[in-house]
Amino acid sequence: ELKVEQNPLFLSMQEGKNYTIYCNYSTTSDRLYWYRQDPGKSLESLFVLLSNGAVKQEGRLMASLDTKARLSTLHITAAVHDLSATYFCAVEEETSGSRLTFGEGTQLTVNP
Amino acid sequence: EAQVTQNPRYLITVTGKKLTVTCSQNMNHEYMSWYRQDPGLGLRQIYYSMNVEVTDKGDVPEGYKVSRKEKRNFPLILESPSPNQTSLYFCASRRTRLDTEAFFGQGTRLTVV
Repeated sequence: ELKVEQNPLFLSMQEGKNYTIYCNYSTTSDRLYWYRQDPGKSLESLFVLLSNGAVKQEGRLMASLDTKARLSTLHITAAVHDLSATYFCAVEEETSGSRLTFGEGTQLTVNP
Repeated sequence: EAQVTQNPRYLITVTGKKLTVTCSQNMNHEYMSWYRQDPGLGLRQIYYSMNVEVTDKGDVPEGYKVSRKEKRNFPLILESPSPNQTSLYFCASRRTRLDTEAFFGQGTRLTVV
């Protein structure tokens, strides 16, 4: 059974600071997704990482994937209040009907 | 506008009263799925469908049924809802199961009392 674990689950940080959210998963997979969810809203796709060593950046967020370590990171640079949201990583199992298995989510709060 | 539409957005019902949550997409996508979201558990897949008349169980299918008679629609059926099915439900679609871009509906918050 595929397990996906994120840490931390709760993150409170000050504007302007840097931080990293970690996503570990338990079986081999070459597809990893990051989503953002604002309170009461649906999921918004942030990044899709498809191969070992993949790195994607959008604004203050950068995601990377190490398939050998079964680890993805979401790095936040110089956080701003607008980044406050819950972030989910999800790993795809092609052998199980392309099911997405989600982590528990990291609730990020950026304080002024 | 490309979208996945769920209805209703909010529903309060009583134990045992059958209900259906509808999901419709306008993108001619083959792959559709249902998830439930519970605090501390992330999203868990309930059922998925690779195409018309092709459905299969996800991680937590107990107590749910689905059907895929048309490509655009993928309703979630709770024949006899119980309080442990109180949750936030999301429908999602992709062009094919190999596509990486998933579109999520707005969510349906279901409360079973």
